[in-house]
Amino acid sequence: EVQLVESGGGLVQPGGSLRLSCAASGFPFDDYAMHWVRQVPGKGLEWVSGLSWNSGIIDYADSVKGRFTISRDNAKNALYLQMNNLRPADMARYFCAKGTTSLFGVFDIWGQGTMLTVS
Amino acid sequence: EIVLTQSPGTLSLSPGERATLSCRASQSFSASLAWYQQKPGQAPRLLIYDPSNRATGVPARFSGSASGTDFTLTISSLEPEDFAVYYCQHGRTFGQGTKVDIK
Repeated sequence: EVQLVESGGGLVQPGGSLRLSCAASGFPFDDYAMHWVRQVPGKGLEWVSGLSWNSGIIDYADSVKGRFTISRDNAKNALYLQMNNLRPADMARYFCAKGTTSLFGVFDIWGQGTMLTVS
Repeated sequence: EIVLTQSPGTLSLSPGERATLSCRASQSFSASLAWYQQKPGQAPRLLIYDPSNRATGVPARFSGSASGTDFTLTISSLEPEDFAVYYCQHGRTFGQGTKVDIK
């Protein structure tokens, strides 16, 4: 079964740090770009960051650039998001999403998300 | 950066009715546009991409079309499980969503 499972969310104080993880299974993880997308409860979707299959291309939303770092470990089928200097505006549910063979395309598989509370 | 504007914000319809959702791009592009469905408490689900191909397992009542910078998601006859929020997406950009609720 194709699956993405996020973990690592929780409560953090403003200015704090947290690392999110996403465990992938059921597909050749190292063939695809991967992304983080977030959603404030009751609001819309916001793309946060993405990286290509080999981490050769990495991109961030302006709102997180310089504070968040995306990475992946293809040997472990894992995606990460290191979040530093967190702000109340970062409070959201963070979804891991599978992309295509190029950096940007559709997001065809999503995890259930992990909630970040900044307070 | 491309801006995607969805309309209407809310669509109130009855089961069996046809739903037409719009997504307008601020400039033309050649790459894919996708539509997602999200139900409360769930992750988004890919419905349509490129812009008229249905994702695996998506019922035939869902269809997508494009005309220049205007994209449309049509649900031919609403089923009870179709009442949800729908987002369009291109690249790093999502539309703000259209909520389809029961009239």
